[in-house]
Order: sequence, then C-alpha cells, then structure tokens
Amino acid sequence: GAGVSQSPRYKVAKRGQDVALRCDPISGHVSLFWYQQALGQGPEFLTYFQNEAQLDKSGLPSDRFFAERPEGSVSTLKIQRTQQEDSAVYLCASSLQGQPQHFGDGTRLSIL
Amino acid sequence: GIQVEQSPPDLILQEGANSTLRCNFSDSVNNLQWFHQNPWGQLINLFYIPSGTKQNGRLSATTVATERYSLLYISSSQTTDSGVYFCAALTTSGTYKYIFGTGTRLKVLA
Repeated sequence: GAGVSQSPRYKVAKRGQDVALRCDPISGHVSLFWYQQALGQGPEFLTYFQNEAQLDKSGLPSDRFFAERPEGSVSTLKIQRTQQEDSAVYLCASSLQGQPQHFGDGTRLSIL
Repeated sequence: GIQVEQSPPDLILQEGANSTLRCNFSDSVNNLQWFHQNPWGQLINLFYIPSGTKQNGRLSATTVATERYSLLYISSSQTTDSGVYFCAALTTSGTYKYIFGTGTRLKVLA
C-alpha cells in the first residue's frame, strides 16, 4: 500500500494477556519508529529500527515490551502480561533515512 | 534529555482568523517536524523544517535553530484546521529519536 499500515486498529485484552501489534511500513523505508500516545498527550518514543537493527529501545517502559523487525520490513510490538496502564494508542512511523516520518493510523489498545 | 514545549496549550479561533503556534526546544536539534492530528487521531505531516521558512498554502513555518524555537502560522483558519498540532524535534544525542511536544489544541468555530 501507499502508506504505513497498522493492525489491528483496535485491540481489547484482559489484564495479564499478551498482545502483538503489527506495523507494515512504506516500502523501501529503512527507518521505523514505535510510539505510545496516552489520552490527551503527545506521542512518546518507544523504539527505533534501522532496517532490521534495533538501534534505540530506550523508550520501552519495561521488559514486558519487546519489538522486532526481523527482515527489515514488517515490525511487531509485543506486550507481555498486559496491565491497565498499557492502555494507549500505539503509533508506528517509517521514513527514508534523514527524511520526514510518515505515521500509520495507530492501534488503540484497551486493557480491561 | 531534550525538552520540547508548545504554546499556547489551547486556542479557539473564529473561522477566518490567523494564529501563531510556538515550539521551544531546550537543546540543539538535527531536525524538526510539525504535525496535525485530526479528530480521528491521524497524524499528518505539515512541515519538515530544520531551519528557515517554508510555506504550504495557508500554512507556513519558520525554525530558528540558533534560538531553539519554531513557529507555525495558520492564516484564514477553517473549521477543518481543528485538531491538535504537535512539533517533534530530532535529537542530536547520537541516536535517531524524535521528542514530541505536548501539543496545541486548536478549535476553529464556524
């Protein structure tokens, strides 16, 4: 597709369950970012990939959060043993190196 | 780490009015982007502007990197301009990391 695609658009999970969120970047974009956006706040950086290499994961809130991009294209953000404070919109963005980020529509995660 | 602050936090305009939104950053940045988040939550690129001035229709932006601020101008505002405007600064800390400001929430009244 022409833009960044994220799935699912909405995810509801019970506290303690594991979830996996998918990001399909724009074809050819080497840079991929994950952000977390809480209600009424700006997006907060989680992690950055250049191709398949995870160069910065300093924003991941705990060791329950894990991201991968094994072939340098599709990326998955996994959250283990979800907690209520994980409820947020998770945004993915991709870019060519040194060029503007383009965002997907996000996954809205609700933990009950 | 770098701090990014935006002002004003909230703004209400009558349709047709002009406005200026400000983004201050606490340290040197490699780049700066402005985004519009529409009521459906989509983040739309407005400008990618490390320095200087750019214009796109009714919108323009100016970044003065040496003084650590950027301005977004909206002229002849329309109701479709409503939403939240974010600036995001790319840090120079050796990693490729964007820090977002807290946003300006704009409502344009018909």
